[in-house]
Amino acid sequence: GAVVSQHPSRVICKSGTSVKIECRSLDFQATTMFWYRQFPKQSLMLMATSNEGSKATYEQGVEKDKFLINHASLTLSTLTVTSAHPEDSSFYICSAPIGTGFQETQYFGPGTRLLVL
Amino acid sequence: GENVEQHPSTLSVQEGDSAVIKCTYSDSASNYFPWYKQELGKGPQLIIDIRSNVGEKKDQRIAVTLNKTAKHFSLHITETQPEDSAVYFCAANTGNQFYFGTGTSLTVIP
Repeated sequence: GAVVSQHPSRVICKSGTSVKIECRSLDFQATTMFWYRQFPKQSLMLMATSNEGSKATYEQGVEKDKFLINHASLTLSTLTVTSAHPEDSSFYICSAPIGTGFQETQYFGPGTRLLVL
Repeated sequence: GENVEQHPSTLSVQEGDSAVIKCTYSDSASNYFPWYKQELGKGPQLIIDIRSNVGEKKDQRIAVTLNKTAKHFSLHITETQPEDSAVYFCAANTGNQFYFGTGTSLTVIP
């Protein structure tokens, strides 16, 4: 299947700092990528849709100034958690689709574990 | 919007037995139903999927069935092995967005 990578796999930072997470589609191009947040033993919560060449679309309740998304190229999207606080600690996962509409299949990255002290 | 429900939330089976996880959805427009396996500390991995023009699909020990009339689909794992232990998520694609179930934590007891 298609490969999606994320970097870093885990990061520990101090409260107040910003953290950037990269999501790359390694063997295909993706005009759209998705960012999810997952709390322990819970399902995936869609945060935002990253769009190459335009602004990201955020889900209700997600602060766009807090979670900055940049879709720099057809293979790279970045999520920056600005001024991180302990409550931002979570598992962040990106996905990239192949196909469109009902032919779309989503492939997930390995996730990034963020711990804010 | 779409609402995907998944049951059970936890499932324990003896090695070699079968495991069945069920999902229901609400939006009749949904037409694509993937299943993902997520191991601890890793991202979800697509293991099998089914599109609405097919009632059943099988890949070695895993199979998925779809009943569009009743709006439910199920994952079947036969001859379970310890490495099948993971969290499994179902999803429904309405054509515009993927909606995920709440996950099933499967434990295969050796």
